[in-house]
Amino acid sequence: KQEVTQIPAALSVPEGENLVLNCSFTDSAIYNLQWFRQDPGKGLTSLLLIQSSQREQTSGRLNASLDKSSGRSTLYIAASQPGDSATYLCAVNQTGANNLFFGTGTRLTVIP
Amino acid sequence: GAVVSQHPSWVICKSGTSVKIECRSLDFQATTMFWYRQFPKQSLMLMATSNEGSKATYEQGVEKDKFLINHASLTLSTLTVTSAHPEDSSFYICSAREMIRRPYNEQFFGPGTRLTVL
Repeated sequence: KQEVTQIPAALSVPEGENLVLNCSFTDSAIYNLQWFRQDPGKGLTSLLLIQSSQREQTSGRLNASLDKSSGRSTLYIAASQPGDSATYLCAVNQTGANNLFFGTGTRLTVIP
Repeated sequence: GAVVSQHPSWVICKSGTSVKIECRSLDFQATTMFWYRQFPKQSLMLMATSNEGSKATYEQGVEKDKFLINHASLTLSTLTVTSAHPEDSSFYICSAREMIRRPYNEQFFGPGTRLTVL
């Protein structure tokens, strides 16, 4: 069964710093991988989706990379802002499965 | 585009009552909808997958008689928690997938429903 792990579980950085969130998955037979943002008590906001054939996707200050063979993805956030504070979840859409397998999340706090 | 809504956003009920949660795709037709549950400080766990017009597929350990799912149209799925108990208190999130304009298995998530059973 696909297992998705995110490291670190929590991260605090001062405003303006660049940071990297990590996601690893055990089964490399994936269709795509998504990064989400979740604010406390709220639903999920999709940030980036990377197809299995792609290496990276960029949106504004966010850049997500995918190394399918090693089972890893990273989310790079440039010039962090207090408004970036949230929990970031990665989720894998495994080939042959309909559902997403979610990671445990990284709780990010950007200190003004 | 690709907006998913849920109603209600929060609900408090007494133990033993039933609660219905609606999930709607507002600007697209959802061939498949998913129901997830999230306990505090934990990640999302898939409960069931529903395809329009057919019975839902439940994940192992999820009681289908307790969590009734109906996907009667391409824009609406409902989750009914029957005879709710305090241990059912959780954050329920639905997602929807459209396979026409976006054939990439991308799922769009609703804002979630906070259920508290007293």
